[in-house]
Amino acid sequence: QSALTQADSVSGSPGQSITISCTGTSSDIGSYNLVSWYQQHPGKAPKLLISEGSRRPSGVSSRFSGSKSGNTASLTISGLQAEDEADYYCCAYSSSSTFVFGTGTKVTVL
Amino acid sequence: QVQLVESGGGLVKPGGSLRLSCAASGFTFSDYYMGWIRQAPGKGLEWVSYISGSGGTIYYADSLKGRFTISRDNAKNSLHLQMNSLRAEDTALYYCARDSGVVTAFDSWGQGTLVTVSS
Repeated sequence: QSALTQADSVSGSPGQSITISCTGTSSDIGSYNLVSWYQQHPGKAPKLLISEGSRRPSGVSSRFSGSKSGNTASLTISGLQAEDEADYYCCAYSSSSTFVFGTGTKVTVL
Repeated sequence: QVQLVESGGGLVKPGGSLRLSCAASGFTFSDYYMGWIRQAPGKGLEWVSYISGSGGTIYYADSLKGRFTISRDNAKNSLHLQMNSLRAEDTALYYCARDSGVVTAFDSWGQGTLVTVSS
């Protein structure tokens, strides 16, 4: 199972919106609406931001939103803030009953 | 609140074995799928394995090729990962995580336990 493809880095200025894409295949992202997104600050455990493609867990800022089209999932961060600077990972459940993570995207707030 | 605490990591020689444990509290452990995810130093997240609440459903990443075994003890609220025939590429921080549903997403994570495979 190959890792899902994400851009190495994305940057934006405070207040701007950025979108992180996650490309998979018809066997993972394209098969189910079971894409999740995680935020990881340096030295910390990952934190769930989005589950089931677009569902935001309690306590997660509404500035984070998720979507999916075909074999590509996206995470949008609106109103970018300094605290959003972190690594972001997508994850999808696949038709082989396994999970696969994305390669990760480093978000920099300019 | 949900708490997951991993233990059992350490330095092991190539070909050696290690058993990781994860102590869970703050929720009804047997109701939840649980998983292990690892992260090599400076690298991304890699899913390792998951197990259903009853222990009857188990899956592993293809790359592990039968070297790892996941298990759980619902009476003791604990999750385990037996790792055999360890290789240098298994060096990573190993996280225990709770699945929010059935193979849905990992909504709670421990702080991880570091496994270093080196001679």
